[in-house]
Amino acid sequence: QQPVQSPQAVILREGEDAVINCSSSKALYSVHWYRQKHGEAPVFLMILLKGGEQKGHEKISASFNEKKQQSSLYLTASQLSYSGTYFCGTHVATSGSRLTFGEGTQLTVNP
Amino acid sequence: DGGITQSPKYLFRKEGQNVTLSCEQNLNHDAMYWYRQDPGQGLRLIYYSQIVNDFQKGDIAEGYSVSREKKESFPLTVTSAQKNPTAFYLCASSRQTLYNSPLHFGNGTRLTVT
Repeated sequence: QQPVQSPQAVILREGEDAVINCSSSKALYSVHWYRQKHGEAPVFLMILLKGGEQKGHEKISASFNEKKQQSSLYLTASQLSYSGTYFCGTHVATSGSRLTFGEGTQLTVNP
Repeated sequence: DGGITQSPKYLFRKEGQNVTLSCEQNLNHDAMYWYRQDPGQGLRLIYYSQIVNDFQKGDIAEGYSVSREKKESFPLTVTSAQKNPTAFYLCASSRQTLYNSPLHFGNGTRLTVT
């Protein structure tokens, strides 16, 4: 089942902060975050593992609430280059080696 | 440099024709995936393969077929049975487990069927 992302879209001015949320109805092994620029391939940002470990981008932080099966991506002091669509991908215990992606959050950072 | 190569970047076909999208990786990854992306939507899994000569259906496999004869290659055929084939197709690979390994994506093939 597809995870739910919120908000669907957000517009920021450069330097402002944003939080993107991802929620699943299933027990998660891990949560992945990717950013996609228009017409390009998604780029890996971060993996959050069950148990608290994180792997990924140094300038981006995220959290994973295992009890609620929710993850949040924190974008602080946003830059113009942060613009794009952010996707969370969930790795569910019963689904084998596959990721199911949310519908995405479109982030626009203006000067 | 290692990576995933998808070709061609743009593909045009007439309705009723089968078409094959190429995906090659030199990352020595065991697992490969095909996703479909429609405008303004997320990525939906078509097929995936964790090992040579084996693959599994994803969420939207109807009208598609794949093969995995070599570790490096995972071609996708869009058949005439696929009702709405026009979309952006992304191939990806990963190490065996997604638990702590990211997906690496190719640059995609944009297929237009008229």
